[in-house]
Amino acid sequence: SQTIHQWPATLVQPVGSPLSLECTVEGTSNPNLYWYRQAAGRGLQLLFYSVGIGQISSEVPQNLSASRPQDRQFILSSKKLLLSDSGFYLCAWSRGLAQWVGHLDTQYFGPGTRLTVL
Amino acid sequence: AQSVTQLDSQVPVFEEAPVELRCNYSSSVSVYLFWYVQYPNQGLQLLLKYLSGSTLVKGINGFEAEFNKSQTSFHLRKPSVHISDTAEYFCAVSEGRRGSTLGRLYFGRGTQLTVWP
Repeated sequence: SQTIHQWPATLVQPVGSPLSLECTVEGTSNPNLYWYRQAAGRGLQLLFYSVGIGQISSEVPQNLSASRPQDRQFILSSKKLLLSDSGFYLCAWSRGLAQWVGHLDTQYFGPGTRLTVL
Repeated sequence: AQSVTQLDSQVPVFEEAPVELRCNYSSSVSVYLFWYVQYPNQGLQLLLKYLSGSTLVKGINGFEAEFNKSQTSFHLRKPSVHISDTAEYFCAVSEGRRGSTLGRLYFGRGTQLTVWP
């Protein structure tokens, strides 16, 4: 079965410090990977997605970046955190290749990382 | 791009009462529809999904949803709720573009369901 891991679970960082959040998926190959941010009362905001190693698409301009150094590893980074970067960060995966298109769209989420920027 | 509207940001109900959480989406030729549940400080868990076939979809924890194409709705229902159902519920829609390798989901803003004893 497939599992998705995120770490750390919680993080408190000062403004201006760097950030690195990691997400790994087990039990599948060539998944699509996603980073979402969930801010209080604002639902889920898609930040980045990736359909393959080194292929990153950004949804919104910001001071965050993403990388996919390995097939099942997705990293969210920042060089200098802002107060507005606080939130709950969720990684998700979906099947990259599927017999039925609908199965591409079912996303499975990790446990999340609670980031507080002070 | 799709837009997803969850009209109710908060739904308080008493235990054992029925509940309906509403979801509407912008029109499209074909869509796939999802409901996710999020318990405090956890990731999202898939509750149910509609891909094709019967418009009434049954999911986990006794929830069901009905796809109504003419009204572009996918409302979530449960005939009798428990305190453990207290959580945030998200409706999501995919455009289901054939030939695409990306499963892009558009999420609503969520509905907080609170079940009181």
